[in-house]
Amino acid sequence: DGGITQSPKYLFRKEGQNVTLSCEQNLNHDAMYWYRQDPGQGLRLIYYSQIVNDFQKGDIAEGYSVSREKKESFPLTVTSAQKNPTAFYLCASTIGGSTGNTIYFGEGSWLTVV
Amino acid sequence: AQSVTQPDIHITVSEGASLELRCNYSYGATPYLFWYVQSPGQGLQLLLKYFSGDTLVQGIKGFEAEFKRSQSSFNLRKPSVHWSDAAEYFCAVGAEQAGTALIFGKGTTLSVSS
Repeated sequence: DGGITQSPKYLFRKEGQNVTLSCEQNLNHDAMYWYRQDPGQGLRLIYYSQIVNDFQKGDIAEGYSVSREKKESFPLTVTSAQKNPTAFYLCASTIGGSTGNTIYFGEGSWLTVV
Repeated sequence: AQSVTQPDIHITVSEGASLELRCNYSYGATPYLFWYVQSPGQGLQLLLKYFSGDTLVQGIKGFEAEFKRSQSSFNLRKPSVHWSDAAEYFCAVGAEQAGTALIFGKGTTLSVSS
């Protein structure tokens, strides 16, 4: 089945360590997004990419990095510079071309810093 | 500044009663409007979307929403709520042009009482 796969579902990280969250889609979508979700805060955009080898910062990009070497993959690295990394992270994708195209979401990854 | 406001953080509705979730937006261009639903610990699922035309749009699971430009609102409604509708609901707005990401509200948590 087509969809977006995020892994791992749950991840624990020690302070000072970088961690990478995986996002893979087999929908042949051009655009991919990373959102962070905190209780009562809704979804906040971290990074997005409209095409391979190109990406843009969202509203809260500090302390995060991404790459888009392949169309189907958009991994997110949470670096030690991110002061409050504990959150629920959502990856999304859309066929692109217009905001009107439906955005599909993965099941999310829980990151806890211990 | 572009923004989405969901005034109600938490709403409780009796099963079988009607539901209205409020959404107000501030957007300079012609907005594309969306409602998403999220079950605990899961990704988001699109309920419905509005681009143009008939201001009353129908979605999945018996939901509908009405776009009122004069009030900058896009409220979600359901005539009769089921216990399975308990979830968090997000309103989102975007621009027509490609290369932009959606802006989400902070969400409304719906509880359904028996």
